[in-house]
Amino acid sequence: DAGVTQSPTHLIKTRGQQVTLRCSPISGHKSVSWYQQVLGQGPQFIFQYYEKEERGRGNFPDRFSARQFPNYSSELNVNALLLGDSALYLCASSFVRGVGVETQYFGPGTRLLVL
Amino acid sequence: QKEVEQNSGPLSVPEGAIASLNCTYSDRVSQSFFWYRQYSGKSPELIMSIYSNGDKEDGRFTAQLNKASQYVSLLIRDSQPSDSATYLCAVNKDSGTYKYIFGTGTRLKVLA
Repeated sequence: DAGVTQSPTHLIKTRGQQVTLRCSPISGHKSVSWYQQVLGQGPQFIFQYYEKEERGRGNFPDRFSARQFPNYSSELNVNALLLGDSALYLCASSFVRGVGVETQYFGPGTRLLVL
Repeated sequence: QKEVEQNSGPLSVPEGAIASLNCTYSDRVSQSFFWYRQYSGKSPELIMSIYSNGDKEDGRFTAQLNKASQYVSLLIRDSQPSDSATYLCAVNKDSGTYKYIFGTGTRLKVLA
């Protein structure tokens, strides 16, 4: 079975530009989460979507937005890029088995470099 | 105080030894706990999940959870050079939050 897929794998942008990252979850998974991981740190939660509804949002500015499509794939958009947005962006897919019981599986990530 | 704390390491162990990785968390309502392995330049890979106090074993890996003391640990028996990676501890705070809080990770080096 295919795992979580993300595109593109690498991206170089300049300050002020906008970027869209894409994620397809594992087949059968309806929940997608987005994380930002800067070098030397653990992943930081950005968003979670379940059944196309936003279920959680981390402490990121409004320049970050996301959505989930009917096929459960998801996009993360970042506007007005800053140098500090350079990071590995991870998508995680999960199957919600019950309240508080879900396990997240990560995709390979998109490495974003802002110049 | 960070919500999830790990010693950044590096933790160096000889091949064949037991590696012990520790993680503490601050929020007592945390329900689910996870260990991920991350090789340099790669994404995190799930190793273990644990939800109840006690030990959970899977092959060479054992996760230990003590909710009263708010710590979770990962033991790797018969460590191999291929185990050299950063190990991330993640905590799911409660059923309504649906987000994982990660520690900064512990870098493990297994010396051949």
